[in-house]
Amino acid sequence: GAGVSQSPSNKVTEKGKDVELRCDPISGHTALYWYRQSLGQGLEFLIYFQGNSAPDKSGLPSDRFSAERTGGSVSTLTIQRTQQEDSAVYLCASSLVEPRGNNEQFFGPGTRLTVL
Amino acid sequence: KNEVEQSPQNLTAQEGEFITINCSYSVGISALHWLQQHPGGGIVSLFMLSSGKKKHGRLIATINIQEKHSSLHITASHPRDSAVYICAVSSGNTPLVFGKGTRLSVIA
Repeated sequence: GAGVSQSPSNKVTEKGKDVELRCDPISGHTALYWYRQSLGQGLEFLIYFQGNSAPDKSGLPSDRFSAERTGGSVSTLTIQRTQQEDSAVYLCASSLVEPRGNNEQFFGPGTRLTVL
Repeated sequence: KNEVEQSPQNLTAQEGEFITINCSYSVGISALHWLQQHPGGGIVSLFMLSSGKKKHGRLIATINIQEKHSSLHITASHPRDSAVYICAVSSGNTPLVFGKGTRLSVIA
């Protein structure tokens, strides 16, 4: 079946512009995660959606970052007034949620954002 | 917050060598994940384990819960194994906490 998809694959924008990144999780996966990988840095958590629960936004680096997940499926990560330090690869992952299990996360191909 | 440390940061091996990458973490977890990231950037999950050992082809992952340590082994390494290998930990469905990765280059 289809894996996690993300769009666009690459985005170049000017400093100060807003951008929207999209993630389509695997059908039936109720958990959705956004991560970021800055150049030369490790992966860091941004935000986590699980079903109808309030999202865990504890990883968002500033209030310029926001995300929503409509209908429990597609998610959009929005960065307002982009800064050069926002340049990174933004990765989305999804997983099933089993009450007493550990759940493998499946990653999308990422969106490479470059802020000029 | 869990701290995840990997070693080595960089590793160069000759084709055919046995390779070991280590990962340690600071706080108890429910699962440890080994991920592979190729130069194009895509991430693939290799293993998710909570105890013991798992094997898939030439890859073996082990975990010692008491010592908070895991190892990823590659037997008979090949140039196509060249990638960044990332250790990550989770508790239940929590977001992953990642190590900084080990960059492996296998030379023919």
